[in-house]
Amino acid sequence: DGGITQSPKYLFRKEGQNVTLSCEQNLNHDAMYWYRQDPGQGLRLIYYSQIVNDFQKGDIAEGYSVSREKKESFPLTVTSAQKNPTAFYLCASSMGDWEQGQFFGPGTRLTVL
Amino acid sequence: AQSVTQPDIHITVSEGASLELRCNYSYGATPYLFWYVQSPGQGLQLLLKYFSGDTLVQGIKGFEAEFKRSQSSFNLRKPSVHWSDAAEYFCAVALYSSASKIIFGSGTRLSIRP
Repeated sequence: DGGITQSPKYLFRKEGQNVTLSCEQNLNHDAMYWYRQDPGQGLRLIYYSQIVNDFQKGDIAEGYSVSREKKESFPLTVTSAQKNPTAFYLCASSMGDWEQGQFFGPGTRLTVL
Repeated sequence: AQSVTQPDIHITVSEGASLELRCNYSYGATPYLFWYVQSPGQGLQLLLKYFSGDTLVQGIKGFEAEFKRSQSSFNLRKPSVHWSDAAEYFCAVALYSSASKIIFGSGTRLSIRP
């Protein structure tokens, strides 16, 4: 079955540590996105990539980094520079003609201890 | 500034009753419009979308939405809700030219009364 997988589902980290969230898709989508979701708020765009080896900052990129070495993969690193990293992180992908909407992964809940 | 407003944070309806979730947007032009649903601890699933044409669009799971240009609204409706419809619903809008500019509303949590 085609879809998007995110791992792990739950992640705990100590302050000052970097952590990488995985996102893989087998939908053959060109574009991939990372969103952050906080309680009572909508999704906020962290980074997006429309093609391999290229990515752009979203609205809240500070303290995060990404790479897009393969079409299928778009990992997100939450660095120690991110002041408030505890949140639910969602990865999404879309066709080049993105008007078909975005497909979302199940999310990773990150908690900083 | 462009914005998306979902004025209802939480709605409770009885099973079998009709449902309407409100969404208003502020854009200079007609944007692309979406409704997504999110079950607890899960990702989002696209319910329906509107780009142009017929202003009443049908989606999955028996949902529909109507675009009203004069009111800058894109309200989601369902004639008879089921207990499985309990979830969080997000309205989203996008400028025609940039998927990276999809803006999500803050969501409406739907509870179903038995």
